[in-house]
Amino acid sequence: KNEVEQSPQNLTAQEGEFITINCSYSVGISALHWLQQHPGGGIVSLFMLSSGKKKHGRLIATINIQEKHSSLHITASHPRDSAVYICAVKTAGNQFYFGTGTSLTVIP
Amino acid sequence: KAGVTQTPRYLIKTRGQQVTLSCSPISGHRSVSWYQQTPGQGLQFLFEYFSETQRNKGNFPGRFSGRQFSNSRSEMNVSTLELGDSALYLCASSPGRASEAFFGQGTRLTVV
Repeated sequence: KNEVEQSPQNLTAQEGEFITINCSYSVGISALHWLQQHPGGGIVSLFMLSSGKKKHGRLIATINIQEKHSSLHITASHPRDSAVYICAVKTAGNQFYFGTGTSLTVIP
Repeated sequence: KAGVTQTPRYLIKTRGQQVTLSCSPISGHRSVSWYQQTPGQGLQFLFEYFSETQRNKGNFPGRFSGRQFSNSRSEMNVSTLELGDSALYLCASSPGRASEAFFGQGTRLTVV
C-alpha cells in the first residue's frame, strides 16, 4: 500500500473550469508539499503546508491533519496549468513519500 | 538569485560503469535532497544532506551514495550501473531541513 494516494490519476478539463486534486496519506507528517512538473522534467514546489490553507494566485491548497487529507484547487483553469501535480509528504523523521501524480490537461 | 543547478543535464552510461551527478544549491541553502524518478516507480527519495552530513536515506542499495561539501554543493554517485538505474535524478535545496524545497531541472541518466 502506498503511503500517499492521489486522485484522480488523470484529469481533463475545459479552460475556465474549477479543478480539484486530492491527496490522502497514511503516515504522520511534519509537512505536505504540492509539486508541479511540466513536460521536460522540471519540478516546481507550489505549496508547503502543515495546517490550514494557503493561496497563491489561482491555486489554493488545503490540509486536514486529522483526516490525513489535502486538496489542491485550481480556479479558472488555463491551458498553461497542464502538468503533472504531485503530492509529497515529509514525516517527522524526515522521510519523504510521494504520490504517483495527477496528470492534468486543460483544453482551450 | 540563481536557482538549483544540476549537471550534467543528460548522461548516457554503460552497464557496470559508475556515474557522479552534481547539484549546486541556491546560495545560502544548507539542505540538499536527492530523488529518483522513473516511469514505473514515480518519485522516490534517495537521501538528504545537511551541513555536510547525511541526515536521512531512502530505500536504495549501497550502490547509491552521496556527499555534501562545505559550500553545500552535493554529489551523488551510482556504482556498477544497472539498466534499471535509468531515470531522472532530481535534487532540491532548502534553507533548512523544515523549509520549502526548490528543485533543479534534473539529470536524465540513461544506462545502456
